[in-house]
Amino acid sequence: DIQMTQSPSTLSASVGDRVTITCRASQRIHTFSAWFQQRPGKAPKLLIYKASNLESGVPSRFSGTGFGTEFTLTISSLQPDDFATYYCQQYYSYPLTFGQGTKVEIK
Amino acid sequence: QVQLVQSGAEVKKPGASVKISCQASGYTFSPSLIHWVRQAPGQRPEWMGWINAGNGDTEYSEKFQGRVAIKRDTSANTVYLELSSLRSEDTAIYYCARDDGRGTPGTFDIWGQGTLVTVSS
Repeated sequence: DIQMTQSPSTLSASVGDRVTITCRASQRIHTFSAWFQQRPGKAPKLLIYKASNLESGVPSRFSGTGFGTEFTLTISSLQPDDFATYYCQQYYSYPLTFGQGTKVEIK
Repeated sequence: QVQLVQSGAEVKKPGASVKISCQASGYTFSPSLIHWVRQAPGQRPEWMGWINAGNGDTEYSEKFQGRVAIKRDTSANTVYLELSSLRSEDTAIYYCARDDGRGTPGTFDIWGQGTLVTVSS
């Protein structure tokens, strides 16, 4: 199975901060990665697909980059709505797998 | 609007089976892939498998092979997840999710609201 490892596990930041989350795959996955946001008690929400494509309706302050084994999610200016847990996911091979999550907290 | 609506919470005893439904609306059900993803308390999501709502083809995670079945009823735009031989570790929220359909299958653009399955004696 492909392991997805995120860093950091927890991130404390303030409104307006630029935030970057990293995800490393245990083997090369081309650009078959996605990012999700999950708020407490809610289903995950797709933010980024195919490494760098912004899902329709998602604010442009979210962006994704990466290829191969290293991927990043950046929030250019953190908003109050963005305090949540973020997961990366690979869909290069089965079983589809997720990272362990990064919780973005208020500083 | 496009949505997936799941059945309600379930409480089961160890060794029992559970069947959860997921009804799609607001888009063309067939053909599309519908995945099932579960999330135990405080854990990362875990993919279980998918079904092609058009032809009924399925793909399962090896972890659940032999215990899981995903089926569909095209007349009702509904997909079902059946999980048997339940154990306490199967306690989780179970989500159905639509594949985004943008080429390689495997990521999820629309999610159901989730169904809590509790396994307890």
